[in-house]
Amino acid sequence: EAGVTQFPSHSVIEKGQTVTLRCDPISGHDNLYWYRRVMGKEIKFLLHFVKESKQDESGMPNNRFLAERTGGTYSTLKVQPAELEDSGVYFCASSQGTSGRNEQFFGPGTRLTVL
Amino acid sequence: LAKTTQPISMDSYEGQEVNITCSHNNIATNDYITWYQQFPSQGPRFIIQGYKTKVTNEVASLFIPADRKSSTLSLPRVSLSDTAVYYCLVGDIGDYKLSFGAGTTVTVRA
Repeated sequence: EAGVTQFPSHSVIEKGQTVTLRCDPISGHDNLYWYRRVMGKEIKFLLHFVKESKQDESGMPNNRFLAERTGGTYSTLKVQPAELEDSGVYFCASSQGTSGRNEQFFGPGTRLTVL
Repeated sequence: LAKTTQPISMDSYEGQEVNITCSHNNIATNDYITWYQQFPSQGPRFIIQGYKTKVTNEVASLFIPADRKSSTLSLPRVSLSDTAVYYCLVGDIGDYKLSFGAGTTVTVRA
């Protein structure tokens, strides 16, 4: 069974440009999460989808970030316009349930560099 | 969220047992203890989870004393491929937001 996949693996953009990250969760996982690690910091939660609905956006840093999950399958995270401080690694994870006991399966991450 | 404290780094040699202790003095009744492993250029991977006493799986063992204020992840007979960052997470059974700290960087040498 395929794991969580993310595309692209790396992205280098100029400040002010737009970037869209994609995540394909494990098939059958209704729950999808985005996390990120910015330079020198810890991995932080961004948001949580249950199917196509956003359940929790409490970790989204500002309105330059927009996440979608049309049809409840793959998800995209758009950063527009990108700023220097957005550089970091963006991880996507999925799980079957939302209990704290449910294992979250992480993708390899997308490394975003904003110049 | 219960705050966790774990060593920044640990060095070991192939074939040795590695024990990483995590302190979580203000752990709550409904909190579970979960460990994730992260290899370079990969996302975190679930290793083991427990509530109390001892849990063992094919990868590791997790020892939790009765007061639950700490826990120890034990990796038996490590190999070079066990070099990774290990995160101790403490969270409520109903909390899906994983809270990663700095983790412990384990380096296994030949």
